Amino acid sequence: EVQLVESGGGLTQPGGSLILSCEASGFIVRSNYMSWVRQAPGKGLEWVSVIYSGGKTYYSDSVKGRFSISRDESKNAMLLHMNSLRVEDTAVYFCARGPPNFLEGAPFESWGQGTLVSVSS
Amino acid sequence: HTVVTQEPAVSVSPGGTVTLTCGLTSGSVSISHYPSWYRQTPGQAPRALTYSTNARSSGVPDRFSGSILGDRAALTITGAQADDESTYYCVLYMLGGVWVFGGGTKLTVL
Repeated sequence: EVQLVESGGGLTQPGGSLILSCEASGFIVRSNYMSWVRQAPGKGLEWVSVIYSGGKTYYSDSVKGRFSISRDESKNAMLLHMNSLRVEDTAVYFCARGPPNFLEGAPFESWGQGTLVSVSS
Repeated sequence: HTVVTQEPAVSVSPGGTVTLTCGLTSGSVSISHYPSWYRQTPGQAPRALTYSTNARSSGVPDRFSGSILGDRAALTITGAQADDESTYYCVLYMLGGVWVFGGGTKLTVL
């Protein structure tokens, strides 16, 4: 059974940094493409970043240059390094699993339950 | 800066059929955007419904179908049930490797 568990959220001040982790079970993280999607309180979903199985990464304009996505294969996990955090980064951050190859399934087929990041002074 | 648009709110009668749409502020949605649809109830993670325009995710009943209608992607729900009340999101793949979600449609069954 596929499971995704996010951790690392919390309260931080503007300009601060956090590292989110998404630990996976039931599949190998490096074999699928994996994404981060966030949801600000009371708002809709916003795609943040993706890492493809080949290692290529992409970011939304709102986080480019501040966030960095990576994999920790020793833990079968995906990470999101968040720097220069802003109040508007406050959201629940979900990790989501895509298929091994682009057209083989939904880009966000399986989801974790999310971890809350709060940025406030 | 292209935005993905969805109806903010739609209602359907129990047993009825409803179509939600997903467009672009500039240009048409095509299969090259690999449109996919998700539903989310408050406090829960989203769930995948359809992908690559009209493929259904595992376990999703055939009451849910994706398509392209004119210049928009569409999700049609037939035989609407009370527990279909959710917020529905489309997401499109854009040039440059990025994905963009629409603002969501809140579906009411009444």
